[in-house]
Amino acid sequence: AQRVTQPEKLLSVFKGAPVELKCNYSYSGSPELFWYVQYSRQRLQLLLRHISRESIKGFTADLNKGETSFHLKKPFAQEEDSAMYYCALHGGSYIPTFGRGTSLIVHP
Amino acid sequence: EADIYQTPRYLVIGTGKKITLECSQTMGHDKMYWYQQDPGMELHLIHYSYGVNSTEKGDLSSESTVSRIRTEHFPLTLESARPSHTSQYLCASSEGQGINSPLHFGNGTRLTVT
Repeated sequence: AQRVTQPEKLLSVFKGAPVELKCNYSYSGSPELFWYVQYSRQRLQLLLRHISRESIKGFTADLNKGETSFHLKKPFAQEEDSAMYYCALHGGSYIPTFGRGTSLIVHP
Repeated sequence: EADIYQTPRYLVIGTGKKITLECSQTMGHDKMYWYQQDPGMELHLIHYSYGVNSTEKGDLSSESTVSRIRTEHFPLTLESARPSHTSQYLCASSEGQGINSPLHFGNGTRLTVT
């Protein structure tokens, strides 16, 4: 069975501070991992995927197969980063599994 | 414009009523999904479809049903609404044959059953 764990329900930081949203997964095969973001009053949307290895809005995420993690990082948080972030795993069954989400609040 | 649409955005209905939540996408995606999301909580998969005439139940027990008669349309029906069905319902779609296709979400339907 595939599982995604986001241990922090809420993460609160000040503007300019580094941010790391944790995501750990459990899956026996080779996973495809994604981060989705939901800003206030907007729909859930893709932020980035591990296969692209790109930086989106200053966020990066590296897949660590040894630690089965896919943490989302940003060196300097901005107020507009405040949102709900979901880590998701796509396994061989094509059925995506989502973590419970982490609410990021960036204070001015 | 290619997108995924959900109607209604908000619905308040009495216990015992039958309701259908609509979801349509104009992206030609084969895979479609229904998730239930309580505020600030994880998404629970209710139903999914790999294509026309293909529907499966997800891991969340639900008294709902879906149909996929056309590629673009994936409605969710509750035969008899109960207060426990009060939640946000998200429809999503994805393309391609591989597992690296991201999901595209609709705006959701917030359902309140009184």
